[in-house]
Amino acid sequence: GAGVSQSPSNKVTEKGKDVELRCDPISGHTALYWYRQRLGQGLEFLIYFQGNSAPDKSGLPSDRFSAERTGESVSTLTIQRTQQEDSAVYLCASSLVRVSGANVLTFGAGSRLTVL
Amino acid sequence: AQSVTQPDIHITVSEGASLELRCNYSYGATPYLFWYVQSPGQGLQLLLKYFSGDTLVQGIKGFEAEFKRSQSSFNLRKPSVHWSDAAEYFCAVVDTGRRALTFGSGTRLQVQP
Repeated sequence: GAGVSQSPSNKVTEKGKDVELRCDPISGHTALYWYRQRLGQGLEFLIYFQGNSAPDKSGLPSDRFSAERTGESVSTLTIQRTQQEDSAVYLCASSLVRVSGANVLTFGAGSRLTVL
Repeated sequence: AQSVTQPDIHITVSEGASLELRCNYSYGATPYLFWYVQSPGQGLQLLLKYFSGDTLVQGIKGFEAEFKRSQSSFNLRKPSVHWSDAAEYFCAVVDTGRRALTFGSGTRLQVQP
C-alpha cells in the first residue's frame, strides 16, 4: 500500500483480556518494527523483523508480549492478559534495508490501547 | 549502545520567531541521525536525516539541522516558526546493533500567536 496501515486505531479492553494489533507495511519494505509510546513519553523499541531472519525481540517488556510476521507482509502484535500499564499507543514502522544499516522508517498512525 | 538526549521537554516560541531544538547523541563512530515530528493524533513524519557529507541538512517544512561532531549534537532549526509547527519533535539515532532507531524523549513545541 501507499503507507503503513495499522488496525484497530483504537482499542479499549478490560484488564486480563488478550489483544491483537495488526500492521500492514509498505509493499516491498522488508523490515518491520514495533514501538510503544506511553502518554507523554518517547518511543520504546519492542521488536524488529527483517525478511526471513530471526526477529530481534530484545525490546519486548515481558513474555505476555509476542509478535509474528508472515513473510514480508502483515505483522500482528499480541498482548496476553493485558495490564493497565500496557495502555499506550503502539506504533508500527517499515523500511527498506540499507547495507549501511541506515534504514529510514515510515510510521503508521498507531493503535491506541486503553486497558481498564 | 547508542543513546539520544533531548534536554528540553517543552519549548514555547512566538509565531515568526526562530527555533532551535537541541539533540545530543552518544555514539563513537559517525552516527545516522534523524528528526521526526508528531502532530497531535498523528503518526511520526520524517523531517530530515543525516548520514554523511554536508553537515547542514535541509528537510521538509523549512527545517534544517546541523551535525556537529565536536559537540555530539544534531540540533534542529527553523528561521521563522508557523502556528502549524506546534507538535512533538523527536531526535533519533540508528542503533546499529538492533538495526532500529533509538529515540529521544521528545520536545513539545508550543507556538504563541
